[in-house]
Amino acid sequence: QQPVQSPQAVILREGEDAVINCSSSKALYSVHWYRQKHGEAPIFLMILLKGGEQKGHDKISASFNEKKQQSSLYLTASQLSYSGTYFCGTEGGSNYKLTFGKGTLLTVNP
Amino acid sequence: KAGVTQTPRYLIKTRGQQVTLSCSPISGHRSVSWYQQTPGQGLQFLFEYFSETQRNKGNFPGRFSGRQFSNSRSEMNVSTLELGDSALYLCASSLEGRYEQYFGPGTRLTVT
Repeated sequence: QQPVQSPQAVILREGEDAVINCSSSKALYSVHWYRQKHGEAPIFLMILLKGGEQKGHDKISASFNEKKQQSSLYLTASQLSYSGTYFCGTEGGSNYKLTFGKGTLLTVNP
Repeated sequence: KAGVTQTPRYLIKTRGQQVTLSCSPISGHRSVSWYQQTPGQGLQFLFEYFSETQRNKGNFPGRFSGRQFSNSRSEMNVSTLELGDSALYLCASSLEGRYEQYFGPGTRLTVT
């Protein structure tokens, strides 16, 4: 089951904050977040494991609500370099299969 | 460390032909996953290999197959190509399939 991401697209001005949500109907073991710029490969941002702590580095952080099977990616004080499509990938157990959402297109303008 | 490499980067084939794509993972990574990316469907999981064993397969027809060699390099094969197979095919490697994945630049396949 493909996770659902929201919003589908968001436009920000530099310095503004954004939240991207990822929701699954299945029990999750882990949630991965990736960013892909146009014409490039997806880049790993962070992984959240069931029972693990909220992750973050620099001004990007994420949370994982195991009970609701939801994860949120928080981008604070956005920079131009944050522009791209953000994908969440979910893994439900010992199946080694990462299922990605359709992505959220984030555009940061000066 | 060198990143994930994929060859070829671009490929044009005609319907009915078959194609083989290659992926070399980051040194030390034993898991290789393959994905198909299209504008309409996004990133879709094809299969994952670990130590030469396929551990999971996505919902793709049997025309899509893969294998992994003892050096962790992986290939995927698509037989009897259809127009709908046109896509960017990405492979990703990780130490173990459940952890962070590092993507290669992809192979852009166009079927005419």
